[in-house]
Amino acid sequence: GESVGLHLPTLSVQEGDNSIINCAYSNSASDYFIWYKQESGKGPQFIIDIRSNMDKRQGQRVTVLLNKTVKHLSLQIAATQPGDSAVYFCAEMNGNEKLTFGTGTRLTIIP
Amino acid sequence: KAGVTQTPRYLIKTRGQQVTLSCSPISGHRSVSWYQQTPGQGLQFLFEYFSETQRNKGNFPGRFSGRQFSNSRSEMNVSTLELGDSALYLCASKRSGGLAGELFFGEGSRLTVL
Repeated sequence: GESVGLHLPTLSVQEGDNSIINCAYSNSASDYFIWYKQESGKGPQFIIDIRSNMDKRQGQRVTVLLNKTVKHLSLQIAATQPGDSAVYFCAEMNGNEKLTFGTGTRLTIIP
Repeated sequence: KAGVTQTPRYLIKTRGQQVTLSCSPISGHRSVSWYQQTPGQGLQFLFEYFSETQRNKGNFPGRFSGRQFSNSRSEMNVSTLELGDSALYLCASKRSGGLAGELFFGEGSRLTVL
């Protein structure tokens, strides 16, 4: 069956450093992979997505890398800021509007 | 532009009761999805509606139901509440023609079942 998991439940990063959040997936048929950010007391917020036929996509201060060989997805955040503190979820989508979310990584920024 | 609005934000029920949660999507968004978020199970898909039709359904018992109205507003209902139904229920809307994975989530309705 499909599953989406994360390597680490927590990650602490010094302010100004780059953050890398990792995710493993098992469903090779997924069409899209997506990253969401959830701040305390709020709903998840879309960050970036990548189609399965791509291996890299860049946004503002974020880069998503997709390695289909090892079924691995990562989110890189450049110059991490205090406002980046949140729980980050990877998710996958396969042909319909249903997202399957991973368990989440809590990113803490050290001032 | 107003975001996704969910009501009520917090509610407490007792076992056996039923509850109805409401969601108003972003204006112009016709797809509405519902997710359940718990510490143990994370974010789990409940169902998705588009133009008043349920297009997708997750693996939840029949006690969980939903509907969508002609103005795209949606409701979900949980009958015969159980303690395990305590969760944050999140509604999300999606713009037709938008990015494939981009859902706009509301802040959720936090349900506590006693």
